[in-house]
Amino acid sequence: KAGVTQTPRYLIKTRGQQVTLSCSPISGHRSVSWYQQTPGQGLQFLFEYFSETQRNKGNFPGRFSGRQFSNSRSEMNVSTLELGDSALYLCASSSGPANEQYFGPGTRLTVT
Amino acid sequence: LAKTTQPISMDSYEGQEVNITCSHNNIATNDYITWYQQFPSQGPRFIIQGYKTKVTNEVASLFIPADRKSSTLSLPRVSLSDTAVYYCLVGDKGYSTLTFGKGTMLLVSP
Repeated sequence: KAGVTQTPRYLIKTRGQQVTLSCSPISGHRSVSWYQQTPGQGLQFLFEYFSETQRNKGNFPGRFSGRQFSNSRSEMNVSTLELGDSALYLCASSSGPANEQYFGPGTRLTVT
Repeated sequence: LAKTTQPISMDSYEGQEVNITCSHNNIATNDYITWYQQFPSQGPRFIIQGYKTKVTNEVASLFIPADRKSSTLSLPRVSLSDTAVYYCLVGDKGYSTLTFGKGTMLLVSP
């Protein structure tokens, strides 16, 4: 069974630009969560989608948004990029809220 | 979600058993204890989950005392490839939001 895939793996953007990251969950998984990892703040929860609905949201500004499609694939968007948005963005999927989460390899975003 | 406290780092040698203890004094009745492993530039990987007493799988064992205010992840006979950050998480098994602490950086040397 294929794991969680994230594209692109690496991305370099300029301040003020916007970016869209993509996540394909494990087949059959309907829950997709997004996390941001930085050296200073560690792993922080962004939001979670289940059956195309945002079910939980972390403490991030409105510049961070996401969505989930009917095939459970998910995208997250960051608008008006800031230098502090440079991070590893991780996507995780699970088959249900009571089950372990499987993480993808992440997208390394660098904002210059 | 209960707050967890782990050692920042630990050192070990190949072949040794490593025990990483996590404190979670405010654990709730419905909370489970879950451990994840993370290698550099990779996503965390689920290791083991438990509620009480002892849980064992092919990778590790998890020991949870009766008061459940702490837990110990035991890695038998570690190898160099076990060098990673280990996170202890506490939360309701139904939770879909994982709250990660700082984790424990385990360094295994030859």
